[in-house]
Amino acid sequence: AQSVSQHNHHVILSEAASLELGCNYSYGGTVNLFWYVQYPGQHLQLLLKYFSGDPLVKGIKGFEAEFIKSKFSFNLRKPSVQWSDTAEYFCAALPRGSSNTGKLIFGQGTTLQVKP
Amino acid sequence: NAGVTQTPKFQVLKTGQSMTLQCAQDMNHNSMYWYRQDPGMGLRLIYYSASEGTTDKGEVPNGYNVSRLNKREFSLRLESAAPSQTSVYFCASGTGVGTEAFFGQGTRLTVV
Repeated sequence: AQSVSQHNHHVILSEAASLELGCNYSYGGTVNLFWYVQYPGQHLQLLLKYFSGDPLVKGIKGFEAEFIKSKFSFNLRKPSVQWSDTAEYFCAALPRGSSNTGKLIFGQGTTLQVKP
Repeated sequence: NAGVTQTPKFQVLKTGQSMTLQCAQDMNHNSMYWYRQDPGMGLRLIYYSASEGTTDKGEVPNGYNVSRLNKREFSLRLESAAPSQTSVYFCASGTGVGTEAFFGQGTRLTVV
């Protein structure tokens, strides 16, 4: 079955620390990949996405992610986190194909807590 | 820009009661989705509608029904609420051809 796994469920960092959140997907074909962020009490917002081309994609608020096809991974990174980055982060995959209906498959989510 | 609008934002139900969650989008998207979010489980797809007039089950459809009223609106109905349906419900919409989904603000439902 298609699935998305996020390795870290709860991450605590101090401000200015570097961030890397792991994401792996299980699907043999081509996928579109996404990272969403959910700030406390708010809805999900798109951070960045990867469809094709340069495997290093840059998103909003200084986030970036690298697609490594051989590892089925799409890890999220930020060089220096801020207190305002405290949120829950979701990795999602969208398998491409003739039956594609846009159904995103989400990982379990990672809660990031940034201490001032 | 309204985007995806859900109502209500909060709801408390007693076991066995019924209710309908409403969702509307103004982005002319073909596809709409209902997800539930539970701690440690991410978002799980309940039902989706690839286009007006069609609906299909997602990963966790039991206990729910949906209606795609028109291209804009996609409602989720709980016929007989159970405590296991306590969750945050998100409606989303998208083009359905591989691009991202856009989410509503969510409905926090508690069944007691």
